[in-house]
Amino acid sequence: QKEVEQDPGPLSVPEGAIVSLNCTYSNSAFQYFMWYRQYSRKGPELLMYTYSSGNKEDGRFTAQVDKSSKYISLFIRDSQPSDSATYLCAMGQGGGNKLTFGTGTQLKVEL
Amino acid sequence: GAVVSQHPSRVICKSGTSVKIECRSLDFQATTMFWYRQFPKQSLMLMATSNEGSKATYEQGVEKDKFLINHASLTLSTLTVTSAHPEDSSFYICSARDIGAVNQPQHFGDGTRLSIL
Repeated sequence: QKEVEQDPGPLSVPEGAIVSLNCTYSNSAFQYFMWYRQYSRKGPELLMYTYSSGNKEDGRFTAQVDKSSKYISLFIRDSQPSDSATYLCAMGQGGGNKLTFGTGTQLKVEL
Repeated sequence: GAVVSQHPSRVICKSGTSVKIECRSLDFQATTMFWYRQFPKQSLMLMATSNEGSKATYEQGVEKDKFLINHASLTLSTLTVTSAHPEDSSFYICSARDIGAVNQPQHFGDGTRLSIL
């Protein structure tokens, strides 16, 4: 079993839809959680960073962490074609060092 | 803020060539930088952790003599792929974390696409 599981997609949605992306994990030592967006042939770009259970909102993006269920989510409201990318969840233990990534979910937002 | 620059972005070279990739933190200092490898449609796999002024820590299965890492300053780490072969062709990405930022995330460079003919 992988430490972090993420549905690779692809996920195709119409413009304006609400997108839900999820990851599950098995290591209860993970303390902080990130979502990165990666466009083709580019490095990952940090979208959201959370250090505890609960919700965090930034513009059209909301990150949720449920440590009791070992489950994290990223919601994208009013999705745009420019949101089309691969979304990677990542998590780490204390100290902010080594990260473990999900496989990434490929998202396509269609006009 | 928190910009990481990686150079070159693209390398095409013959088998047997050694290739050096640079990773720079432009607006912050980083005692620790990370080197990842990513195959098409797969996630990032950590290769090694680069520590300023000391030896790098390699992940299991990564050949330290093949992938030489040097972290000579707080803003620069280099990865040298020695005697590269076609199976070394991949997307190499570095990341760095701000030395002054406790429990803050890593910021990534734009990657280097390496193609060995």
